[in-house]
Amino acid sequence: AQTVTQSQPEMSVQEAETVTLSCTYDTSESDYYLFWYKQPPSRQMILVIRQEAYKQQNATENRFSVNFQKAAKSFSLKISDSQLGDAAMYFCAYRMYSGGGADGLTFGKGTHLIIQP
Amino acid sequence: NAGVTQTPKFQVLKTGQSMTLQCAQDMNHEYMSWYRQDPGMGLRLIHYSVGAGITDQGEVPNGYNVSRSTTEDFPLRLLSAAPSQTSVYFCASSYSFTNGANVLTFGAGSRLTVL
Repeated sequence: AQTVTQSQPEMSVQEAETVTLSCTYDTSESDYYLFWYKQPPSRQMILVIRQEAYKQQNATENRFSVNFQKAAKSFSLKISDSQLGDAAMYFCAYRMYSGGGADGLTFGKGTHLIIQP
Repeated sequence: NAGVTQTPKFQVLKTGQSMTLQCAQDMNHEYMSWYRQDPGMGLRLIHYSVGAGITDQGEVPNGYNVSRSTTEDFPLRLLSAAPSQTSVYFCASSYSFTNGANVLTFGAGSRLTVL
């Protein structure tokens, strides 16, 4: 079974600074998808960014970008110019290329991001 | 477009009571699933469905039943609630199950407390 590990339970950053959230995963598959989800206090799960494993180019979405290192099985999220609205729990998630059977989305335990004004 | 709608948003039960968490989507998604979120545990898959009439177990299915009689609805039933089922429950759906690129759309969550 796949596992996703987020080693930082909590991170703090000053507003307008850059922060990087770490994620590592374990899989024997060669094709898969990786995701970062944001969960603000409202509890809503919001997709931040997605990476296809077969693409070497790192995904970017405005102030959010990833550093995908396939050989190292590492998938970190960089948030540039941090804003107060970025404060949330961030979850890294893995999904098999075919969608998976009982696996569905495999989530890490999350990183609580605090933005200091 | 309502997306994924979960009801109720909050519920308090006594041990042994039964209840159903409702989930409905209006996006004609084939794939629907239920997750539970516990503090420090991330989200874990309970049950999922790849289409009407088809359901299967996820990582933590014990104590829960599901059915999928229509494409739109995927209710989660707790037959005899236990304190260990105190959690936040999320319903999520997506297009074709076989394409992992399809992004899951989540409901707003249902917070269940079992006393």
